[in-house]
Amino acid sequence: AQSVTQLDSQVPVFEEAPVELRCNYSSSVSVYLFWYVQYPNQGLQLLLKYLSGSTLVKGINGFEAEFNKSQTSFHLRKPSVHISDTAEYFCAVSVSSGGSNYKLTFGKGTLLTVNP
Amino acid sequence: KAGVTQTPRYLIKTRGQQVTLSCSPISGHRSVSWYQQTPGQGLQFLFEYFSETQRNKGNFPGRFSGRQFSNSRSEMNVSTLELGDSALYLCASRPTGSSYNEQFFGPGTRLTVL
Repeated sequence: AQSVTQLDSQVPVFEEAPVELRCNYSSSVSVYLFWYVQYPNQGLQLLLKYLSGSTLVKGINGFEAEFNKSQTSFHLRKPSVHISDTAEYFCAVSVSSGGSNYKLTFGKGTLLTVNP
Repeated sequence: KAGVTQTPRYLIKTRGQQVTLSCSPISGHRSVSWYQQTPGQGLQFLFEYFSETQRNKGNFPGRFSGRQFSNSRSEMNVSTLELGDSALYLCASRPTGSSYNEQFFGPGTRLTVL
């Protein structure tokens, strides 16, 4: 079974500051990794995904994440945040092969609050 | 293409009642999954349907059921509602033939059980 740990439940930052949202996963098989964002009263929107290849993945809205297999981490970063980035961010994994790749296993989420 | 749509967006029910939620996937997507989101448990997988067949089910009691129609639209039913069923229910569709499980989520139905 897979599990995802998001180490910070809340991250407050000031506008234009850099931010890192941390995600660690556990799996005995190869996985795909995802970051989703959820704005208030909305569903989940995919920010970026890691499937294979380059460990640095760029996504929408200036976000990027780095896959580190040895540390089983997939931290999300943005060099300069905006007020509009205030939202909840979810890290998720899916197995990369076999019959179990039908579902996403999510972390508990990190609430990013960007203050002026 | 239109995104995943869910109806209704908000629902208030009382304990013991039953409820049906609806999801229309993105055109051409044949796989539909349902997730429950609560503050305590986070996002949890309920079940997945593909071509009108339930392929996979999460760890939820039998009060939670679903079905999928020939046009890929899906419904989820919860019978004998309990207070703990209050949650945001998210539907997601997946492109046919996708090998990496990228799921596209709808806005959700917020169910409140009183």
